[in-house]
Amino acid sequence: GAVVSQHPSWVICKSGTSVKIECRSLDFQATTMFWYRQFPKQSLMLMATSNEGSKATYEQGVEKDKFLINHASLTLSTLTVTSAHPEDSSFYICSARDRGLAIQETQYFGPGTRLLVL
Amino acid sequence: AQTVTQSQPEMSVQEAETVTLSCTYDTSENNYYLFWYKQPPSRQMILVIRQEAYKQQNATENRFSVNFQKAAKSFSLKISDSQLGDTAMYFCAFMRRETSGSRLTFGEGTQLTVNP
Repeated sequence: GAVVSQHPSWVICKSGTSVKIECRSLDFQATTMFWYRQFPKQSLMLMATSNEGSKATYEQGVEKDKFLINHASLTLSTLTVTSAHPEDSSFYICSARDRGLAIQETQYFGPGTRLLVL
Repeated sequence: AQTVTQSQPEMSVQEAETVTLSCTYDTSENNYYLFWYKQPPSRQMILVIRQEAYKQQNATENRFSVNFQKAAKSFSLKISDSQLGDTAMYFCAFMRRETSGSRLTFGEGTQLTVNP
């Protein structure tokens, strides 16, 4: 149980295009999903916290108009990188918290999406 | 704000031996969780072990155990009988304990290599 999927697993796009990444909780309902960015050999950097039915909360320094997050249901959150540029190339990881747990301390991670912008 | 520090960027160990990864953190909170995650070359984040700060007993999961020193704000991970599959980046992480849930704060990571 507690599986989180991401789609696509990797994507290559041209500069100026937009890319959408999906994060799904497959066997549980997620009140909260998180989006991280990770550069090679570095730690995970939290970009935003996504709550179902409400606006995402972005971390300081993350452009909300650049990285659009939509959490439309209890099992799906999407991250759209708008007008992507080469500096947006990175590994993007989502995680989800199970609403069924009384103390929601466990985050389940997706396998990540590798984005390369040419 | 919480901070998590892993002072060992890289470590190596021989197969079947024991290795300890260090982690310190800084917080003014009293109720929180600490985690160790591993990220193998596949880059999938895998939970290794979890410690609740209000529990004095150190958590163990098979070959993995922690040394939790709350007063010293130290949370080290010991891997016994190291296996080649343990080769991965290991991240220490902190989370405040609250019913609505809270964010994870990660350390910089330690790259562990298990040599045959």
